[in-house]
Amino acid sequence: TQLLEQSPQFLSIQEGENLTVYCNSSSVFSSLQWYRQEPGEGPVLLVTVVTGGEVKKLKRLTFQFGDARKDSSLHITAAQPGDTGLYLCAGPFQGAAGNKLTFGGGTRVLVKP
Amino acid sequence: ETGVTQTPRHLVMGMTNKKSLKCEQHLGHNAMYWYKQSAKKPLELMFVYNFKEQTENNSVPSRFSPECPNSSHLFLHLHTLQPEDSALYLCASSHPGNGGEGQFFGPGTRLTVL
Repeated sequence: TQLLEQSPQFLSIQEGENLTVYCNSSSVFSSLQWYRQEPGEGPVLLVTVVTGGEVKKLKRLTFQFGDARKDSSLHITAAQPGDTGLYLCAGPFQGAAGNKLTFGGGTRVLVKP
Repeated sequence: ETGVTQTPRHLVMGMTNKKSLKCEQHLGHNAMYWYKQSAKKPLELMFVYNFKEQTENNSVPSRFSPECPNSSHLFLHLHTLQPEDSALYLCASSHPGNGGEGQFFGPGTRLTVL
């Protein structure tokens, strides 16, 4: 059982459509981070959410941290082929040091032109 | 050069070989990490170094031996590996508390053990 469950595992959509990916846990996280990884590269940080109920927007990307700090979602509006990649959520598990991250299994997103 | 660099990008080795992976960061960070990314598992933290001291060994087999001579360089020495060790090995760096800036990853070394 993964500590951070991401769903769906794979998502294929047409350019212009919207999508939402989810990151869920039975445990409370002090913070959660979202990364995007493109083929042949390492993950790149998109956002960090810290406060329960927090919503952050990054252009067409909207990130939400659940009120209980056990779940998070990433919504992309009008997806573009450049949004293609592996989306990973990560956080320090159960009081672990802030830099000891547990990663979810990822959601692979394919945006077709 | 900027960011986090890793060499080599690809490595094929036999089970009896000894090889080393190298990571270098030019971001002024004091924490460095090794991760393993394989096809069927989430990204797994292997080792954490804070200010050149190892602060985390996530139950990694002894055939993987890390070395951190200074805050900018990190090595992973490999010997007598198994085929199931084939994976993408990622290095990352950050400020020690991680905080909102997150971790900065290198492009990884794709390792194949024959």
